[in-house]
Amino acid sequence: AQSVTQPDIHITVSEGASLELRCNYSYGATPYLFWYVQSPGQGLQLLLKYFSGDTLVQGIKGFEAEFKRSQSSFNLRKPSVHWSDAAEYFCALLDTGRRALTFGSGTRLQVQP
Amino acid sequence: NAGVTQTPKFRVLKTGQSMTLLCAQDMNHEYMYWYRQDPGMGLRLIHYSVGEGTTAKGEVPDGYNVSRLKKQNFLLGLESAAPSQTSVYFCASSDAGGLYGYTFGSGTRLTVV
Repeated sequence: AQSVTQPDIHITVSEGASLELRCNYSYGATPYLFWYVQSPGQGLQLLLKYFSGDTLVQGIKGFEAEFKRSQSSFNLRKPSVHWSDAAEYFCALLDTGRRALTFGSGTRLQVQP
Repeated sequence: NAGVTQTPKFRVLKTGQSMTLLCAQDMNHEYMYWYRQDPGMGLRLIHYSVGEGTTAKGEVPDGYNVSRLKKQNFLLGLESAAPSQTSVYFCASSDAGGLYGYTFGSGTRLTVV
């Protein structure tokens, strides 16, 4: 069965510091991977997605993610975090049979001034 | 604005009561989904639909029913609400079976007392 693991429940970084959020997946075939962001009281917004090809994908709001097949990982990064990035971040994997996303448990990001 | 609209946004139910959550999308998407979000558990798929007149069970379907009589609407029903169904419910829709990600509604916060 496929699964998505986000090992970090909560991360705190200082404004201007770099950020890396971890995501590991388990899937037997080529994965379709996504990162979403959820601001408090809001729905989820798509940050970026990976299908195939270039393993470094760029997204909105200055985020990027790197797919590493050997490590079954799809980590999200940002070089310099802004206070407005404080939110919850979800990694997701597409179940191509159901055509539905399986989500990780999320990582809550806090940004210190 | 085009998107996914969920009604109501908030609801408090007594144990044993019934209710229906409505999801409407105006993007002509074939696929629609209902998820529930609970702290520390990410989003879990309740039911989904791959087209008008079709529905299928997701990861946590017990206690819920759904209908997709019109392409633009996806209804989630609770026949006899239980406290364990206290959650935030999100509807989403997608084109191409989720390959390009979902568009999410803003959520319904349901409390069962």
